[in-house]
Amino acid sequence: GESVGLHLPTLSVQEGDNSIINCAYSNSASDYFIWYKQESGKGPQFIIDIRSNMDKRQGQRVTVLLNKTVKHLSLQIAATQPGDSAVYFCAETKGHGKLTFGQGTILTVHP
Amino acid sequence: DTGVSQDPRHKITKRGQNVTFRCDPISEHNRLYWYRQTLGQGPEFLTYFQNEAQLEKSRLLSDRFSAERPKGSFSTLEIQRTEQGDSAMYLCASSGLGQGAGDTQYFGPGTRLTVL
Repeated sequence: GESVGLHLPTLSVQEGDNSIINCAYSNSASDYFIWYKQESGKGPQFIIDIRSNMDKRQGQRVTVLLNKTVKHLSLQIAATQPGDSAVYFCAETKGHGKLTFGQGTILTVHP
Repeated sequence: DTGVSQDPRHKITKRGQNVTFRCDPISEHNRLYWYRQTLGQGPEFLTYFQNEAQLEKSRLLSDRFSAERPKGSFSTLEIQRTEQGDSAMYLCASSGLGQGAGDTQYFGPGTRLTVL
């Protein structure tokens, strides 16, 4: 994705609400997609992944949806907690090559 | 803690100096990646190793940058004649056999470089 400098999209939710973070990816040849969570001063932390032969994958409190027709990826977080506050990035790749990161989204969870 | 370690965690240097960063990947991971991240942006790919072979380099990796992975385990990233524009977080990731086998890249904590 193209960088947008300091003006990242933001999502503000109340504790206990469900959160949905969206991402558009660029390469129709990508076959593997990952969501990362990044807290301030730390490296990206793997959350969940999905391969291009799937439309949906569920983890603990998280679900990733993939729409290849419109090249769209979403991350759903159930019962959002204050500890979920971070910047969330989607990333795409083909095989085990380099990751291309999308625009991050700042998630803020209010107690 | 993903198991990927980076050293140092922070580096402050003066413009024109050389710096070297080290990354230790997850044990048995045969692929190692370097990325650079500036404030407000996602990580950008720099280079990638499979075992000791450097398989891909980004155009971002100018002649002042060099990376090595001599024994197929740890890797070093050196920046010569640093410039203020080199100030960023340098991230290392690994993937492959062993923990989290497959294509998932696990990131280290990063090295924060500040060039004065």
